[in-house]
This record gives sequence, C-alpha cells and structure tokens, in this order.
Amino acid sequence: DIQLTQSPSFLSASAGDRVTITCRASQDISSNLAWYQQKPGKAPKLLIYTASTLQSGVPSRFSGSGSGTEFTLTISSLQPEDFATYYCQQVKTYPVTFGQGTRLEIK
Amino acid sequence: QVQLQESGPGLVKPSQTLSLTCTVSGGSISSSNYYWSWVRQPAGQGLEWIGRIYISGSVNYNPSLESRVTMSLDASKRQFSLRLSSVTDADTAVYYCARDKPSAVSDHWGQGTLVTVSS
Repeated sequence: DIQLTQSPSFLSASAGDRVTITCRASQDISSNLAWYQQKPGKAPKLLIYTASTLQSGVPSRFSGSGSGTEFTLTISSLQPEDFATYYCQQVKTYPVTFGQGTRLEIK
Repeated sequence: QVQLQESGPGLVKPSQTLSLTCTVSGGSISSSNYYWSWVRQPAGQGLEWIGRIYISGSVNYNPSLESRVTMSLDASKRQFSLRLSSVTDADTAVYYCARDKPSAVSDHWGQGTLVTVSS
C-alpha cells in the first residue's frame, strides 16, 4: 500500500494567517492526490483533486501543488470556518489511502 | 445536487454481518461517469477506504478487508450496499458512502452512520 504522511499533525494558527500542510507519499503517485476538509461530526468535503485542481464551489484561498511524492495544501488567509482537520488521499493505485490528518486549530 | 444517505443497524453483534445501504437522490446511480464507494472512520481516527462499485457490478476492495466485504448495487432502487462479515470491535466506526469520479476522488458524501459492534 502507498503510505501518506502529513505534516504537521497539529497546527495552531490565527485568522488571516497563511498556512501550508505537506503530504509525502511513500512512492511516486504523479498528480493523483486529493485534499479533503473535515469538520467535527461531518463528512469530509473535497477541496482539491489532481493535486492542484480546485473543486467547484471551494474558495480560491485554497490551493494545492506538487507531484511525485511531495504535495502541499495552502490556505492563503485563514477564515474562521477553515478550522478543521485536513486529509490528503492518493488515488494512484488500489487500495486508495489517506494521510493521518492535520488538525488545524485556532491560536 | 446529488445526495447520499446511509441506512442500516447501528448495533451489530460480534461475529455477525454488518449491512448498510446508501440511497442516492438528485442524480443517476446508473451514470457511467461515476463509481460508488464506502469509507469508514473509527472515533477520533483517520479515514479508511473500504472499496467501490461501478454500475456494471465491477468492484475494487481494500485487500485488508477483501475477505469479509461484499458490495452490490441496485439501480432500480437507486441504492448500493455494503456487507462486512465476521465483525469485531475493530469494525466499530462511522461508515460513509460516497460518489466517486472515475479517478476514485469522492466528490459527494453521505452524512455517515455510526455502527457499533458490541454484544
């Protein structure tokens, strides 16, 4: 299975901050990576797919980059509604796997 | 706007079979453009992909669960289903159904349903 390692696992930031979350894959997955946001008690929400394509309806402050084994999710200016847990997901090969998550909390 | 809704027992006894159904509304489950998947999440933990099914009946399962998992789809009822046999405490989780793009990225999710394995 392809392992995804997110860093950091926990991030404390303030509204208006720019934050970056990294996802590293155990092998080359090209651009076959997605990012999800999950709030407590809710289902994950797709933010970005194919590493950098913004899902329809997702604010442009979210962006993704990377290819191969290293990827980043950037939120350019944190809004109060962005405090949540973020997961990366690889869809290069079965089984589909997820990172362990990055919990983003208000400082 | 497509919507998905999980249904099924919230409590299952150890060694028995967990059965869940996902009902799709607002979109066609027969579309050739999408797959239909299941993901689970134990309390306070991360996401685990269980598998997915296509309208043709073609399935892909997580090898870690493959010996116990069966997925099916009933287009006439706009439903797809998950069966997980021989459950243990480790199968206690929130189970989500989702619609997948062909790439396996899930663009619409159900709200999730908690299944507890306990005697």
